[in-house]
Amino acid sequence: SAVISQKPSRDICQRGTSLTIQCQVDSQVTMMFWYRQQPGQSLTLIATANQGSEATYESGFVIDKFPISRPNLTFSTLTVSNMSPEDSSIYLCSAPGVGGYGYTFGSGTRLTVV
Amino acid sequence: GENVEQHPSTLSVQEGDSAVIKCTYSDSASNYFPWYKQELGKRPQLIIDIRSNVGEKKDQRIAVTLNKTAKHFSLHITETQPEDSAVYFCAARANDYKLSFGAGTTVTVRA
Repeated sequence: SAVISQKPSRDICQRGTSLTIQCQVDSQVTMMFWYRQQPGQSLTLIATANQGSEATYESGFVIDKFPISRPNLTFSTLTVSNMSPEDSSIYLCSAPGVGGYGYTFGSGTRLTVV
Repeated sequence: GENVEQHPSTLSVQEGDSAVIKCTYSDSASNYFPWYKQELGKRPQLIIDIRSNVGEKKDQRIAVTLNKTAKHFSLHITETQPEDSAVYFCAARANDYKLSFGAGTTVTVRA
């Protein structure tokens, strides 16, 4: 399975600012996924990041708020833009392993917006 | 899209007893079903998975069963230990390679 490094691990941000979260995978993967996890809740998919094409967003998430970059097959970033306290959450990236199985996760970014 | 339901939401068991968590899915095209364990403050960890061409899979004290006809799959943990206490998530993957997660089950193992 892929090993994913994610940073930052946590941050406290002022409302109206933006934060960029980075994920680095130890192998080339076609797809990467970005999730949000509210405290005590399940994982909600934000978007799928494909190398060489625009990210595809799930219902309720838009590119202007959550722009994603995927410059190569081992790296992706998610930006949380114009933040409000409602954006306080844990953000995680994920990627499948060999054959599209064995999905692993980054260590998560705990974001607090004040 | 895929919809995954998970039950129960909480489960308390005596150490040494078994724990069973059940999930149902809606998309008959789903073909891969992983289970994750998440401890407080940690990332979800894959503990076992099953593909649609297999009915059961075991790994030491954990097992997963899949009933494609009924569109449900279950996680079985035998001889539970305190370190099994965590939140467990089931997931289903359809042809788009996106994982859809259940709501989670908080398992508490009483010593």
